[in-house]
Amino acid sequence: AQKVTQAQTEISVVEKEDVTLDCVYETRDTTYYLFWYKQPPSGELVFLIRRNSFDEQNEISGRYSWNFQKSTSSFNFTITASQVVDSAVYFCALSEVGTGGFKTIFGAGTRLFVKA
Amino acid sequence: DTEVTQTPKHLVMGMTNKKSLKCEQHMGHRAMYWYKQKAKKPPELMFVYSYEKLSINESVPSRFSPECPNSSLLNLHLHALQPEDSALYLCASSQDLPGQGTYEQYFGPGTRLTVT
Repeated sequence: AQKVTQAQTEISVVEKEDVTLDCVYETRDTTYYLFWYKQPPSGELVFLIRRNSFDEQNEISGRYSWNFQKSTSSFNFTITASQVVDSAVYFCALSEVGTGGFKTIFGAGTRLFVKA
Repeated sequence: DTEVTQTPKHLVMGMTNKKSLKCEQHMGHRAMYWYKQKAKKPPELMFVYSYEKLSINESVPSRFSPECPNSSLLNLHLHALQPEDSALYLCASSQDLPGQGTYEQYFGPGTRLTVT
């Protein structure tokens, strides 16, 4: 069965600090996708990144970076020099190709507070 | 255009009312989704349409009735709801590449539903 665990319920940091959000997943499928979404207080989920199971290259996009390690089934997300606008709930998610790919399982989410 | 629109933004309805939520996308996506999200919880999948056909119904009560009139539109008809159905209802769309799984989903802003 597929499962996504985000052990950090809430994180509070001061602006300009770096912060890492952890994500651990379980799947029996060899082909799957991992995602990160951001949900600001306005409510709309915003797609941040997709990674497929065959691509373990880390990715950097501005202040955001992602570390995908199949050996530890982890897909962690780091925000460098955090800003108040980064305050949101962040969801890690998993989609298995073997089950048709339509079912995306979300982690419980990590609420990030960035204080000025 | 990567926008998914939803109407209305807010809806208050009594338990005997009939109402509909609407969702529209113009990204050419052939998979569309309805999610329910309670406060401080991740989105829960309700329905998935692929090429305008219902692909997944996650055992949702019949008081929720989805409809996909065409590839751009998705409706959720509501009837005889219960107070516990009060939640944020999110629509999403994604590419649907048979055998390749589902890519990232693009979400609308949601409809905040209150059942009195």
